[in-house]
Amino acid sequence: AQTVTQSQPEMSVQEAETVTLSCTYDTSESDYYLFWYKQPPSRQMILVIRQEAYKQQNATENRFSVNFQKAAKSFSLKISDSQLGDAAMYFCAYRRLYSGAGSYQLTFGKGTKLSVIP
Amino acid sequence: NAGVTQTPKFRVLKTGQSMTLLCAQDMNHEYMYWYRQDPGMGLRLIHYSVGEGTTAKGEVPDGYNVSRLKKQNFLLGLESAAPSQTSVYFCASSNRIYEQYFGPGTRLTVT
Repeated sequence: AQTVTQSQPEMSVQEAETVTLSCTYDTSESDYYLFWYKQPPSRQMILVIRQEAYKQQNATENRFSVNFQKAAKSFSLKISDSQLGDAAMYFCAYRRLYSGAGSYQLTFGKGTKLSVIP
Repeated sequence: NAGVTQTPKFRVLKTGQSMTLLCAQDMNHEYMYWYRQDPGMGLRLIHYSVGEGTTAKGEVPDGYNVSRLKKQNFLLGLESAAPSQTSVYFCASSNRIYEQYFGPGTRLTVT
């Protein structure tokens, strides 16, 4: 079974600074997807970024980028120029590439609560 | 295009009562999921469906039942609510590709 570990329950960053959230995972598969989801106080789960394991290039979406280290099974999220609206819970998630007879369910980490200090 | 909607948004039940949570999606997705979110636990899969008329158990299925009579709807039932089922429930849908789309969540309190 796959597991996802987020070792930082809480983090804080000064507005306009850069912060990195850590995520490690365990899988025996070679192809899969990794995601970062953001959950603000509204509770809505919002996709931040997606990484396909078969792509060597790290994904980037505006101020958000990842450092994907496949051999180390590490998938960290870097937020640059942090803004007050970035304050939220962030969840790392894993999904198999091929479902077979099963589903494309997500396996989530326990989350990191990010605070942004004005 | 509403995406994924959930009804109701909040509910308070007494122990032993029953209720049904409704999830609807308008993206023609084959796959639908029910998760529960508890403090410090992330989201855990309760049940899922890979198509109309199909359901399967996830990680924490005990105390819940589901049905998918129509492709766009996925119902989560609690037959006899217990305080341990106090949680926030999320529905999600997806196709074979990429990410899941989540509903806004239902906060359920069982007293």
